[in-house]
Amino acid sequence: RKEVEQDPGPFNVPEGATVAFNCTYSNSASQSFFWYRQDCRKEPKLLMSVYSSGNEDGRFTAQLNRASQYISLLIRDSKLSDSATYLCVVNMVSNYQLIWGAGTKLIIKP
Amino acid sequence: DTGVSQDPRHKITKRGQNVTFRCDPISEHNRLYWYRQTLGQGPEFLTYFQNEAQLEKSRLLSDRFSAERPKGSFSTLEIQRTEQGDSAMYLCASSLGLGDDEQYFGPGTRLTVT
Repeated sequence: RKEVEQDPGPFNVPEGATVAFNCTYSNSASQSFFWYRQDCRKEPKLLMSVYSSGNEDGRFTAQLNRASQYISLLIRDSKLSDSATYLCVVNMVSNYQLIWGAGTKLIIKP
Repeated sequence: DTGVSQDPRHKITKRGQNVTFRCDPISEHNRLYWYRQTLGQGPEFLTYFQNEAQLEKSRLLSDRFSAERPKGSFSTLEIQRTEQGDSAMYLCASSLGLGDDEQYFGPGTRLTVT
């Protein structure tokens, strides 16, 4: 079993729709959680950190369920510019390694 | 530009040759990380430095791979006797080094071994 698993995708979604990404992690000792965005042939960039209380940044909402070892990302009112690969990332703070999911590709259609 | 820089951006080499990549982190960042990413996968951790000390190495980092950060600033990643399986994007990231802090990534070096 992979340490971080994501929906394989791709997701083809019409502009304006709401899209949800799911992610599960296997190590209950994981301390920090993130969503990164990666455009084609570019480096990953931090989209948002994920906190136990849930957090929102504009159209983006991230949630964490430690009991179920589950992380989610919701994008509302999707834009063409949201097309990218979204990567779920878990950090074992004890060694500062980021453990990455394989990513879910999102394609927003006009 | 004060972001993380990597050089070269692309490298094509023949199997068996040695290659060296350079990473210049954000100037005040103490931690520096190397990752490898292949198509359709997320990045895989290779190694990280706290200042000049290499504190962690992945099992992925075979004896053909070596990384250095001699003065605690830039870092180099060398691959000796390259194999076709080494073809990947090699990403460098840096962070301030204060607990669990954000890692900023460079544009990567894309290696193709023919």
